[in-house]
Amino acid sequence: EAQVTQNPRYLITVTGKKLTVTCSQNMNHEYMSWYRQDPGLGLRQIYYSMNVEVTDKGDVPEGYKVSRKEKRNFPLILESPSPNQTSLYFCASSFGRGPTEGEKLFFGSGTQLSVL
Amino acid sequence: AQKVTQAQTEISVVEKEDVTLDCVYETRDTTYYLFWYKQPPSGELVFLIRRNSFDEQNEISGRYSWNFQKSTSSFNFTITASQVVDSAVYFCALSVLNTGNQFYFGTGTSLTVIP
Repeated sequence: EAQVTQNPRYLITVTGKKLTVTCSQNMNHEYMSWYRQDPGLGLRQIYYSMNVEVTDKGDVPEGYKVSRKEKRNFPLILESPSPNQTSLYFCASSFGRGPTEGEKLFFGSGTQLSVL
Repeated sequence: AQKVTQAQTEISVVEKEDVTLDCVYETRDTTYYLFWYKQPPSGELVFLIRRNSFDEQNEISGRYSWNFQKSTSSFNFTITASQVVDSAVYFCALSVLNTGNQFYFGTGTSLTVIP
């Protein structure tokens, strides 16, 4: 089944404790991206990647890191999480160059992160 | 700058009523794409439709229809004869060719269909 898999589904952590949210897709998509969803703010793009070893910042990259060492994986890293990073996170992927070329996004199921 | 506005934060309708969700976008680019996504209570995001800036034809898919009007920078979504399963948050989104592949979402409209 074609899908984007995110793990974990729920995560509670404490301020400053490094964490990684994994994202993997099995559709051979070139484009992958991360979003956070906050009440009243919709979804905001954190980082995106056009292909292996190519990543770029979205609207809200501060406090996050990503890597794209393999085409299928695009982990989101929070080196020192803070309470304002408590949010619902979505990974997404698409064919080609992504939404800029009109490609629809396939989303993972989301990761609800709470930073205490 | 690019922006998507969904002025309706929450809408409630009684089952079988028609409902229109508004989406207004801002961009100075001539090449762009507009999308609608649905987020049911289970939380996943589901693609509904995509439109490019050169195609102003309205589209109908079953009970769903979309009205794209460049003159008013709007891409509205109508659900005819609403059903309880339509209860969800609906997001309108914009992508623009020359903005480094950023993708702009509106803040969403939460639709509740009351049985």
